[in-house]
Amino acid sequence: GDSVTQMEGPVTLSEEAFLTINCTYTATGYPSLFWYVQYPGEGLQLLLKATKADDKGSNKGFEATYRKETTSFHLEKGSVQVSDSAVYFCALSRWTGNQFYFGTGTSLTVIP
Amino acid sequence: KAGVTQTPRYLIKTRGQQVTLSCSPISGHRSVSWYQQTPGQGLQFLFEYFSETQRNKGNFPGRFSGRQFSNSRSEMNVSTLELGDSALYLCASSFGRDRSNNSPLHFGNGTRLTVT
Repeated sequence: GDSVTQMEGPVTLSEEAFLTINCTYTATGYPSLFWYVQYPGEGLQLLLKATKADDKGSNKGFEATYRKETTSFHLEKGSVQVSDSAVYFCALSRWTGNQFYFGTGTSLTVIP
Repeated sequence: KAGVTQTPRYLIKTRGQQVTLSCSPISGHRSVSWYQQTPGQGLQFLFEYFSETQRNKGNFPGRFSGRQFSNSRSEMNVSTLELGDSALYLCASSFGRDRSNNSPLHFGNGTRLTVT
């Protein structure tokens, strides 16, 4: 079945460090891919998305490229800030319905 | 515009009781999905409603049920509560018009259910 695998956390980085959170997926057909972010005590917020192969989603300095050949959608940011501390979820949505599959989440802590 | 609103934010119930959670989607959104979030299992899909019809269902027992009203508001009910039902229940809405997979989910802040 469809699934998303994320790198395990937690991840701790110093401010201005480079961030990569790995995400790979398994799905039939051509899913859309998403990154969501969850801050403490809140629901998930859409960070970025990509709907077809080679698309690059970007927002707030974060980027991810839809790589069909490697079934990956890794999240990157060149210089993290303390305010980026949160839990990040990779997700996919298949064309057959509005059902999303989420990864287990990666907790990121950025220290000054 | 207003986001997804979930009420109540916190609930404490005892085993065997039942509970109803409410979700008001973003105006114009006709699809409402429910997810259970726990530290051990992560985000698990419960069900999705579109135009008052359940379109998708996850792998949860029949104690978990939901419905959607004509104004797209949705409720989720859990009967005969168990300790393992303690979780954050998240509601998400989207346009979901044509089963397109491009429409992202917009989440509420969740209802934290504690079963004692």
